Amino acid sequence: GESVGLHLPTLSVQEGDNSIINCAYSNSASDYFIWYKQESGKGPQFIIDIRSNMDKRQGQRVTVLLNKTVKHLSLQIAATQPGDSAVYFCAETPTSGTYKYIFGTGTRLKVLA
Amino acid sequence: DAGVIQSPRHEVTEMGQEVTLRCKPISGHDYLFWYRQTMMRGLELLIYFNNNVPIDDSGMPEDRFSAKMPNASFSTLKIQPSEPRDSAVYFCASSAYEKLFFGSGTQLSVL
Repeated sequence: GESVGLHLPTLSVQEGDNSIINCAYSNSASDYFIWYKQESGKGPQFIIDIRSNMDKRQGQRVTVLLNKTVKHLSLQIAATQPGDSAVYFCAETPTSGTYKYIFGTGTRLKVLA
Repeated sequence: DAGVIQSPRHEVTEMGQEVTLRCKPISGHDYLFWYRQTMMRGLELLIYFNNNVPIDDSGMPEDRFSAKMPNASFSTLKIQPSEPRDSAVYFCASSAYEKLFFGSGTQLSVL
């Protein structure tokens, strides 16, 4: 029979619109967070990072927001393009300097033409 | 820089056979990580090295898995004997300071 796997949440966005991808992290002591993008058949690619002493950081077309009170991280992509279609993962490091990243299950972003 | 290089890209083997996955990290990076990705469990950290020394191998599933880093430019992940449940994509990543750079992965199928 068909194997049961992780059900990736999917976000469908019209080309040109803004996308918001959310992530709930597990450890209130985590102090460093990264967003990765994974295209089909490729390894995860770094997008943007943020430390726990910040609540917002901006890159090119991307913004990461961190809400430590509710342990929530979000990635905003402005003017979403077809090339943004991928699976997006957040990752946290529970303890500074351990490099023991914990990855979320991911969100699939589909950009509709 | 060519990035993290993994080989082979695809490996198909039969249950019981030995499998060796290879990784060349980015030059100058002093951390190297091995991850496994499956539909069931997502991305799992298996082991990571710092300056060629294994730091944390608590994610290695069982004794059938072993990893080595004989020098700063090469690492191997070996599975012996392989089992069908080992089928997954195995990623190697390297880092100089917190940001991980991933290779393209090895798609392993154990029949």
